[in-house]
Amino acid sequence: DIQMTQSPSTLSASVGDRVTITCRASQSISSLLAWYQQKPGKAPNLLIYKASSLQSGVPSRFSGSGSGTEFTLTISSLQPDDFATYYCQQYNRYSPWTFGQGTKVEIK
Amino acid sequence: EVQLLESGGGLVQPGGSLRLSCAASGFTFSSYAMTWVRQAPGKGLEWVSALSGSGAGTYYADSVKGRFTISRDNSKDTLSLQMNSLRADDTAVYYCAKFGWGSNCDSTSCYGNFDYWGQGTLVTVSS
Repeated sequence: DIQMTQSPSTLSASVGDRVTITCRASQSISSLLAWYQQKPGKAPNLLIYKASSLQSGVPSRFSGSGSGTEFTLTISSLQPDDFATYYCQQYNRYSPWTFGQGTKVEIK
Repeated sequence: EVQLLESGGGLVQPGGSLRLSCAASGFTFSSYAMTWVRQAPGKGLEWVSALSGSGAGTYYADSVKGRFTISRDNSKDTLSLQMNSLRADDTAVYYCAKFGWGSNCDSTSCYGNFDYWGQGTLVTVSS
């Protein structure tokens, strides 16, 4: 199975900060990567698919980039509603779906 | 508006069985593959099982293969997960989710992201 590794595991930031989360795949997944946001007690919410495509309704301060094995999620200006846990997920055709371990974005 | 509503969770003893259901609305259910994802308390997300729109293609994580069975009733817009031989490490919130745009799932292969999720149902396996 393809392993997904996120860094950092926890990130402390302030409102207005630019935030970057990295996700690394154990083998190439082309651009078949999604990012999800999850708040405590809630279901995950799709933010980005195909590495860089913004899901409908998601604020434009969220962006994704990368291909192959290295990917990033960037929040251009952190808002109070953005404090949450973020997961990357690979959806390569020939491997079971796997998620990163999560990155918790906390208030500094 | 897409809505997914899970039910059927609860407390079950090790070795027992439980059947989860997910009622879907707001989209053409039979046109989309569906999936179950679980999250153990305080842990990350783990994919469990997926099913093509027609029901012909079924996919399972190694951790549940042979114990769980995914199915769907396209006449009732309902997804199900039959869970047998439950173990303590199956304790989790179980989410159903719909495959998103650009996904492709049939009897030979399946890939895609998950664009809508239900609110989850808690399964606790304990004596």
